[in-house]
Amino acid sequence: GAVVSQHPSWVICKSGTSVKIECRSLDFQATTMFWYRQFPKQSLMLMATSNEGSKATYEQGVEKDKFLINHASLTLSTLTVTSAHPEDSSFYICSARDPARFYNSPLHFGNGTRLTVT
Amino acid sequence: AQTVTQSQPEMSVQEAETVTLSCTYDTSESDYYLFWYKQPPSRQMILVIRQEAYKQQNATENRFSVNFQKAAKSFSLKISDSQLGDAAMYFCAYRRLNSGGYQKVTFGIGTKLQVIP
Repeated sequence: GAVVSQHPSWVICKSGTSVKIECRSLDFQATTMFWYRQFPKQSLMLMATSNEGSKATYEQGVEKDKFLINHASLTLSTLTVTSAHPEDSSFYICSARDPARFYNSPLHFGNGTRLTVT
Repeated sequence: AQTVTQSQPEMSVQEAETVTLSCTYDTSESDYYLFWYKQPPSRQMILVIRQEAYKQQNATENRFSVNFQKAAKSFSLKISDSQLGDAAMYFCAYRRLNSGGYQKVTFGIGTKLQVIP
């Protein structure tokens, strides 16, 4: 079945630095990928929708300049947290759907990235 | 806007017994998908079961089944013969059938299921 790979699984960075998270679809081409953020014991909150070859669509309240999304190819989307602050510490999960099965395809999730900003 | 409500923060079930997790949602759409996802301690989101709103028949996947009540906007998950591996957070989710380019998924807040040996 379809697999989405996310890297790294966890990362620790210092305040003020930037960190990049990669999301890859391994056996299908994903024109659209989704980035979620999950706080402890809370649900998944959609941050943005990543569209291959075009600008990402951000949800209300998500800072575009802070969370940079690049979807340069049909199998790779990246989320860069810029000038990280401790409050950016969270669990970030990417997901994608297989467009070959548009109407019947559920989201496939990566394993998530735990970001800790010190 | 669509909302998904899970009113049970935590549930527990004895191993081999049956448990039902509740979910209600609000939408003005007539066509949509509903899902139950499982998130074990590994944090990997795993699709458990899905239901197309236009189908009257309740979806079933082995020990997992749903009770879909479209008029009541209710979508409960029944887990039969509960196993220790079923212990996880369970998220109910909603997705529009066609939102013109991408399909935003809305998640409930989750229900933590504990399975007692």
